[in-house]
Amino acid sequence: AQTVTQSQPEMSVQEAETVTLSCTYDTSESNYYLFWYKQPPSRQMILVIRQEAYKQQNATENRFSVNFQKAAKSFSLKISDSQLGDTAMYFCAFMKPLYNFNKFYFGSGTKLNVKP
Amino acid sequence: NAGVTQTPKFQVLKTGQSMTLQCAQDMNHEYMSWYRQDPGMGLRLIHYSVGAGITDQGEVPNGYNVSRSTTEDFPLRLLSAAPSQTSVYFCASSYSQGGDGQPQHFGDGTRLSIL
Repeated sequence: AQTVTQSQPEMSVQEAETVTLSCTYDTSESNYYLFWYKQPPSRQMILVIRQEAYKQQNATENRFSVNFQKAAKSFSLKISDSQLGDTAMYFCAFMKPLYNFNKFYFGSGTKLNVKP
Repeated sequence: NAGVTQTPKFQVLKTGQSMTLQCAQDMNHEYMSWYRQDPGMGLRLIHYSVGAGITDQGEVPNGYNVSRSTTEDFPLRLLSAAPSQTSVYFCASSYSQGGDGQPQHFGDGTRLSIL
């Protein structure tokens, strides 16, 4: 079974600074995808970034980037120039494509608080 | 484009009552899923469906039923509510074609309290 571990239950960062959220996963699969989702207080689950395991290049989406280390099974999220609107729970997710379904496994989340 | 719509947003039940959480999507997605979110545990898969008429169990299916009569709708039924089912429930959908890494699109969640 796949497991996803987010070892930082809560983090704080000053506005405009950079913060890195960690995520590790355990799998024997070679073909998979990794995601970061953001859940603000409104409770919506918003896709932040997506990474294909077969791609060595780290995904980037504006101020959000990942450091994907496949051998180490690590998938950290870096948020640059943090903004107050980045305050949210962040979930790391592992997706295993099955022949008829894409099965997702979620970490327990990291609560990020951006301070003014 | 409404995306994934869940109703109700909040609900309080008494132990033993039954109810149905509604989920509808307008993106013509084949895959739909139900998750529950509990503090410190992330999201756990309850049931999922790969198309109309096809459902399967996730990791925490006990106490829940699902059916999928149309592509758009995927209701979750609590048969006899228990306090352990107090949680936030999310419905999600995604485009099919396993292996292409399509992300899931989530509804806004239903906060359910069982007294």
